[in-house]
Amino acid sequence: DVVMTQSPLSLTVTLGQPASISCRSSQELVFSDGNIYLNWFHQRPGQAPRRLIYKVSNRDSGVPDRFSGSGSGTDFTLKISRVEAEDVGIYYCMQGTHWTWTFGQGTKVEIK
Amino acid sequence: EVQLVESGGYLVQPGGSLRLSCAASGFTFSNHPMHWVRQAPGKGLESVSAISGNGGSTYYASSVMGRFTISRDNSRNKLFLQMGSLRADDMAVYYCVREEPNGSYDYWGRGTLVSVSS
Repeated sequence: DVVMTQSPLSLTVTLGQPASISCRSSQELVFSDGNIYLNWFHQRPGQAPRRLIYKVSNRDSGVPDRFSGSGSGTDFTLKISRVEAEDVGIYYCMQGTHWTWTFGQGTKVEIK
Repeated sequence: EVQLVESGGYLVQPGGSLRLSCAASGFTFSNHPMHWVRQAPGKGLESVSAISGNGGSTYYASSVMGRFTISRDNSRNKLFLQMGSLRADDMAVYYCVREEPNGSYDYWGRGTLVSVSS
């Protein structure tokens, strides 16, 4: 299985400051159709995950534009330009290119 | 509005069986591959199984291969997961998830808890 490695695993951020989460895959994530199926999800305690980003950099409807995704090859990044209180929780990257689709370990974001 | 509602989670003994169901509404069910994703208590997310829109293709994680069977009934807009030979490490919240677009999950149910203990 493709191993997804996130860093850091924990992040404490001051409100209004930027945050960045890295995700590395053990294999290239380019599918046969040319797309890279790299996703980012956010999960709050007691809730199901919510998708933020799909295909590396496509933001879902309703996701604030302070969230952005980038990357290529095996290195990907989720950036929050200015962290807000509602951004606390755990962030997961996930690859949907190679079955079994796999998630990173998760990055816990807290407010300082 | 897309809705996915799981049911069937229960406390079961090791070695036992369980059948999970997911009722889908608000979209054309047969147009979408569907998945089961699980999350053990306090742990991360794990893709368990997937099925194509017409049910003709199924996929399993190696951890459940040969013990779990995914199926769907497009006439009733329902997804199923038949779970057998359950082990302690199968204990988790099981989410029903829609695949859209390719390679991604857009809608998740609230999950159903499967507990495995003697």
